[in-house]
Amino acid sequence: AQTVTQSQPEMSVQEAETVTLSCTYDTSESDYYLFWYKQPPSRQMILVIRQEAYKQQNATENRFSVNFQKAAKSFSLKISDSQLGDAAMYFCAYRSGYETSGSRLTFGEGTQLTVNP
Amino acid sequence: GAGVSQSPSNKVTEKGKDVELRCDPISGHTALYWYRQSLGQGLEFLIYFQGNSAPDKSGLPSDRFSAERTGGSVSTLTIQRTQQEDSAVYLCASSLVGGGLKNIQYFGAGTRLSVL
Repeated sequence: AQTVTQSQPEMSVQEAETVTLSCTYDTSESDYYLFWYKQPPSRQMILVIRQEAYKQQNATENRFSVNFQKAAKSFSLKISDSQLGDAAMYFCAYRSGYETSGSRLTFGEGTQLTVNP
Repeated sequence: GAGVSQSPSNKVTEKGKDVELRCDPISGHTALYWYRQSLGQGLEFLIYFQGNSAPDKSGLPSDRFSAERTGGSVSTLTIQRTQQEDSAVYLCASSLVGGGLKNIQYFGAGTRLSVL
């Protein structure tokens, strides 16, 4: 079974600064996808960024980028120029690329990000 | 609809009562998922529906939990004889089906269930 670990229950950053959230995972599969979701107080999970395991190039979405280290099974999220609206719970998630494993997401424990003005 | 819609937003019930939680997926999404988010267990998968295939019920924690999806669209999660440990946020997600990143899951705002 796959596991996802987020070792930072809480992080804080000053507005306009950069912060990195850590995520490690464990899997024996070679085909998989990794995601970062954001959950504000409204509870709705919002997709921030995604990465296919077979792609070596790190994904980027505007101020959000990842550092994907496949051999180390690490998938960290970097938020640049942090904004007050970035404050939320962030979840790292894994999905198998194999149909037989289903399409469920396996989530980490989450990191609560605070952005200080 | 424009997004995944869940109702009710909040539900308070008494221990031993049955509850039904509803999920209305994004139009055209054939895959639908239920997850539970609780303080002790984090986010955990409950059940997955895909088209007319038999659902993947492997995440349901007990036989008090059941779900159905009618007409390939709306889904109802039913919890019978609720217990205090059932208190959690129940999240629904939907997606397209296909290879690669076609099946990105989009989530609703969840139903917060409180069992007194």
